[in-house]
Amino acid sequence: AQSVSQHNHHVILSEAASLELGCNYSYGGTVNLFWYVQYPGQHLQLLLKYFSGDPLVKGIKGFEAEFIKSKFSFNLRKPSVQWSDTAEYFCATISGGSYIPTFGRGTSLIVHP
Amino acid sequence: DSGVTQTPKHLITATGQRVTLRCSPRSGDLSVYWYQQSLDQGLQFLIQYYNGEERAKGNILERFSAQQFPDLHSELNLSSLELGDSALYFCASTLGTSVGNEQFFGPGTRLTVL
Repeated sequence: AQSVSQHNHHVILSEAASLELGCNYSYGGTVNLFWYVQYPGQHLQLLLKYFSGDPLVKGIKGFEAEFIKSKFSFNLRKPSVQWSDTAEYFCATISGGSYIPTFGRGTSLIVHP
Repeated sequence: DSGVTQTPKHLITATGQRVTLRCSPRSGDLSVYWYQQSLDQGLQFLIQYYNGEERAKGNILERFSAQQFPDLHSELNLSSLELGDSALYFCASTLGTSVGNEQFFGPGTRLTVL
């Protein structure tokens, strides 16, 4: 079975700090990768996704992620976080052979103003 | 607002009982996913329906069942409830079955089993 690991469970940063959230997946074949965000009191929403092509993917709100196949990683980055980025972040994958989404446990990000 | 609605928002019930959670997808979306989110298990995929038919099955217990109706709304039935079933249940909808489709999530139903 596929698995997705998010190693940082809780991250606390000050505004303007740089952010990198780790995500590793287990499946070795074709994967489709996603980052979702859940702001306090809101529903999950898509930040960005990768299927093929340029391994550096740009999403909404200044976020980007890099797919590194050799490392089975899809880390999320943002050069300068804002207080409004405080949220729960989920990495997810759907393998090319199934329709079953697998989510990581999530990373709680708190940004202090 | 994602356009996906879920009712009820909160549900408190007792062990052994049965409940039904409802999800209405975004207008035009044919596919519905159900997820369970708990502190110890994270976000777990339960089941997916596409245009009324079961499409994929995840870690769904036999005590749980779901269906998608002709008007495309979906219901998740949880029976013989146990304390461990207390969780947040999300549904999400997508246009079709392509793995590339963005999933639009509802606000969730928080189930508490006492």
